[in-house]
Amino acid sequence: GEDVEQSLFLSVREGDSSVINCTYTDSSSTYLYWYKQEPGAGLQLLTYIFSNMDMKQDQRLTVLLNKKDKHLSLRIADTQTGDSAIYFCAEIYSGGYNKLIFGAGTRLAVHP
Amino acid sequence: NAGVTQTPKFRVLKTGQSMTLLCAQDMNHEYMYWYRQDPGMGLRLIHYSVGEGTTAKGEVPDGYNVSRLKKQNFLLGLESAAPSQTSVYFCASRKGGDEAFFGQGTRLTVV
Repeated sequence: GEDVEQSLFLSVREGDSSVINCTYTDSSSTYLYWYKQEPGAGLQLLTYIFSNMDMKQDQRLTVLLNKKDKHLSLRIADTQTGDSAIYFCAEIYSGGYNKLIFGAGTRLAVHP
Repeated sequence: NAGVTQTPKFRVLKTGQSMTLLCAQDMNHEYMYWYRQDPGMGLRLIHYSVGEGTTAKGEVPDGYNVSRLKKQNFLLGLESAAPSQTSVYFCASRKGGDEAFFGQGTRLTVV
């Protein structure tokens, strides 16, 4: 079955790097996504990675994909207070009709 | 180009009442999704659609029905609302392989 798992909380100091981890179950997922949700708002796409890539970098964001372990991570360099939000990992589950499945979300708290 | 629009944004229902949430997208996307978001549980897929006239069940479909009569609209219905359906509902749409665009959400309270 489909399942995406994330740790629920992460606390970092401003200026440090944050690493948010995610594991997924569908080895044939073609796309894996990271979304950000600020309080009271909808979801905003941060970045995504194709399954044939190991790494993708986009300014302060680095996504690493380990297909063997079905592990995805999002690294945020030089974390700022504006990065405080909930981060969701999501996969396109190919087992049935392109379902877009989300993890429970990781709440990132950035403190001075 | 408005993206994904959800109506209404807020609603309070009494137990047993019915209502329909509307999701409209103007991007000609094939896929549309309805999720509910509850604290600590992330987004759970209720129903989704891979094209006009098609619908499929997600993870938590019980108590909800959907219709996709027109490609741009995906309706979520609650026939007899229950307090357990108090949640924030999000609609999303996407083209195959691309990012999913989300609406701003509907906050529903069932008393």
